[in-house]
Amino acid sequence: SAVISQKPSRDICQRGTSLTIQCQVDSQVTMMFWYRQQPGQSLTLIATANQGSEATYESGFVIDKFPISRPNLTFSTLTVSNMSPEDSSIYLCSVVSQGSGNTEAFFGQGTRLTVV
Amino acid sequence: AQSVTQLGSHVSVSEGALVLLRCNYSSSVPPYLFWYVQYPNQGLQLLLKYTSAATLVKGINGFEAEFKKSETSFHLTKPSAHMSDAAEYFCAVRSDTGRRALTFGSGTRLQVQP
Repeated sequence: SAVISQKPSRDICQRGTSLTIQCQVDSQVTMMFWYRQQPGQSLTLIATANQGSEATYESGFVIDKFPISRPNLTFSTLTVSNMSPEDSSIYLCSVVSQGSGNTEAFFGQGTRLTVV
Repeated sequence: AQSVTQLGSHVSVSEGALVLLRCNYSSSVPPYLFWYVQYPNQGLQLLLKYTSAATLVKGINGFEAEFKKSETSFHLTKPSAHMSDAAEYFCAVRSDTGRRALTFGSGTRLQVQP
């Protein structure tokens, strides 16, 4: 299993500013994923972050808006840049277990972002 | 491409009644299928997963799901609902190779009436 710590757990930010969300995993993992959950909605994949390479972004998400760092196998950050109220969402970090089967995804508790 | 459809955004049952949450998937390759639960203001917790072994999968908290390839379904059931089961439930799919990210359904909010 993997235990994921996300910081901050919640924040209220002014429009036009940026927020960096941190994701720390208690074990080394190859792939880390960032999801967004808009109010009352399901989870949408923002990007896949691999250590040592550029993140791969899904359609509708761009690096200038959501820059991601992956400096090592246990840590990643997601920045929400130039925020607007439409960015108010829960942002979740996820990893896939490195153990046998490599099937289960684990999630952090999420960062609840409100942009005012 | 993969997709998941959850029928019913809201399901309400009485305490002690059968819980049935529906999930249909679309995948061009053999899928891995998951059910996650999200309690208010919390992250996602894995309930159970199908990974091409037994088609009837038992999970935590008395939940189980049956993989039916002919119906492309993976419905979640629990014989007797408990008040503590009230939460949002998400069905998700991913392929067994390559892309490891999950594709989620739209979610079903389960209400349990006393």
